[in-house]
Parts: sequence; structure tokens; C-alpha cells
Amino acid sequence: DIQMTQSPSSLSASVGDGVTITCRASQDVSNSLSWYRQKPGRVPELLIYAASTLESGVPSRFSGSGSGTDFTLTISSLQPEDVATYYCQKYNIAPWTFGQGTKVEIK
Amino acid sequence: EVQLLQFGGGLAQPGGSLRLSCAASGLTFSTYAMGWVRQAPGKGLEWVSSITRSGDYTPCTDSVKGRFTISRDNSKNTLYLQMNSLRADDTAVYYCMAKYYDASGPLFWGQGSLVIVSS
Repeated sequence: DIQMTQSPSSLSASVGDGVTITCRASQDVSNSLSWYRQKPGRVPELLIYAASTLESGVPSRFSGSGSGTDFTLTISSLQPEDVATYYCQKYNIAPWTFGQGTKVEIK
Repeated sequence: EVQLLQFGGGLAQPGGSLRLSCAASGLTFSTYAMGWVRQAPGKGLEWVSSITRSGDYTPCTDSVKGRFTISRDNSKNTLYLQMNSLRADDTAVYYCMAKYYDASGPLFWGQGSLVIVSS
């Protein structure tokens, strides 16, 4: 099975900072890669699908890039409401594996 | 508006059974592969099982093989997860997911169902 490795596992940044999270697949997943933001006790919120397509209603400070095995989620200007855990997921074929998560905090 | 409305869940004893349902609306159900994802308390997201549009392929994670069965009824726009021989480590919030068959378009999630396995 394809493994998904996210880094870093946690980060702390100031409001207004740019933040980058990476996700690496152990094999090619084409562009079938999504990113989620999950706040405690809440359903994961889809931010990006097809590696770089912004989900409707998601703020434009979020962007995704990459294809094949290496992907990036960027938050251009971190906001207090972005405190959450972020997950990548590959979904081209089963299993629809998730990364282990990146916890984002405010300094 | 796409909605995945989940039913079922609750408290079960070790060795017991539960069935989760996920009723879809606002999409053409038969064109979506469906799946179940779970999240144990304080842990990350884990894919559990998925099912193709026709139901002819139903892979699952190793820890639930032989115990959990995914199925769907395209006439009722509903996905199911039958959970047997439940164990304490199956305690989690379970989410249903919808993915368009060719992986284009957004993915959709249900609201989650809490399953607690405890004596």
C-alpha cells in the first residue's frame, strides 16, 4: 500500500505568517490528493482537492500544489481560526490513506 | 446541496455488533465510490473500508477484515457498515465519505457517528 508522510508533525507561527505543510507519497498518486483542516471535535473540512483545486467557500489564503509524489499546502497569512490539525489524503485508489497530521498553533 | 446523513452508532459491548448507515442526497449516488473513515479519541484519521459504484470491490484495512462489512443500496442512496465482533480499539468517530468515481470533483463527508465499545 502507498504510504503518506506529512511534515512537520507540528508547527507554531505568528498571525500573518506564511505556513507550508508537505505531504509525500511512497508511490505516484497522480493529482488525487486532498487537504483537510480539522478543529477539535469537528468534522474535517475539505480545503483542497485534486492537489490544487480550492474547495468552494474556502479562503483564498489556502493553496495546494504538487503532483505525483510530492505535495504542498500553503497558508499565505496564518489567521487565529487556522489553529487546527491538517491532514493530506490520497484517494486515487483504495486504500484512501491519510497522512499522520500536522498540528498548527499560534505563537 | 450534497448531504451525507449518518445514522447508527452508540454503545456496544465487546464482541457485539452495530450497523452504521449513511444516506446521500444532492448527488447521483451510483456515480460515487463510497467509504468509511474513523478517528479514535485523540488520534488521526484512518481509512476503514470503501466500495465501488457497483459494489463489486470492497477493500478494508487489515484490523477490521473478517469483522466489518461495507455495502450499499443504490436504489436507496444509502451506504452501510456492518460491524461485528467489536473490540475496544474500534471505539472512534466513524465518518462516511463520497468520492466521484474518476476522482474528479470534491469529496464529501458525513457528520460522524460515535461508536463506543465498552463493557
